[in-house]
Amino acid sequence: DTGVSQNPRHKITKRGQNVTFRCDPISEHNRLYWYRQTLGQGPEFLTYFQNEAQLEKSRLLSDRFSAERPKGSFSTLEIQRTEQGDSAMYLCASSFDATGTEAFFGQGTRLTVV
Amino acid sequence: GEDVEQSLFLSVREGDSSVINCTYTDSSSTYLYWYKQEPGAGLQLLTYIFSNMDMKQDQRLTVLLNKKDKHLSLRIADTQTGDSAIYFCAEPSGGLTGGGNKLTFGTGTQLKVEL
Repeated sequence: DTGVSQNPRHKITKRGQNVTFRCDPISEHNRLYWYRQTLGQGPEFLTYFQNEAQLEKSRLLSDRFSAERPKGSFSTLEIQRTEQGDSAMYLCASSFDATGTEAFFGQGTRLTVV
Repeated sequence: GEDVEQSLFLSVREGDSSVINCTYTDSSSTYLYWYKQEPGAGLQLLTYIFSNMDMKQDQRLTVLLNKKDKHLSLRIADTQTGDSAIYFCAEPSGGLTGGGNKLTFGTGTQLKVEL
């Protein structure tokens, strides 16, 4: 296992288009998180899954955003009708479901909306 | 809600020690974390400290925790050019457990190491 994998690494899209990102967590991790990071800021929490269940969503996650983890393994994050303000780095992380265990991050997907 | 604050920038000479500071607000946090982010990359966990500890040392890294003042620091001894990166402190938010919960990050401190 080589760690958390995110695809694509970079995505440029026109305003109004839909985009989908994929995250493959570390295989034995049952928790998966999505964060968004804009330039000069720390990552901000978007949502997380325990197995296939989406347990929490931030109010940053507008109706245009949807995340799934259908089989409790990989996850997808879809943004519909993209806006320029959606331009950011989208980071995925995974961890065990146990107190004190660390979250491992992927390399992120950088989205640019033009 | 939780709020984590850091100074934005630190410049040191190679070989000197670097000290990166962080203040946090959630006194119930059981763990506090330091992450490193190199340009264009994801976050790498450097170290973490349990809230019942005052200090943790890991090779060149020393973490100090002052729970009374809610102050966390990361000291990097013998700083090298490869240490140039953005450093984030983070605390779990929304619960009493550690890594199993979402994290609130500071804005990050950009460390620049000069020759």
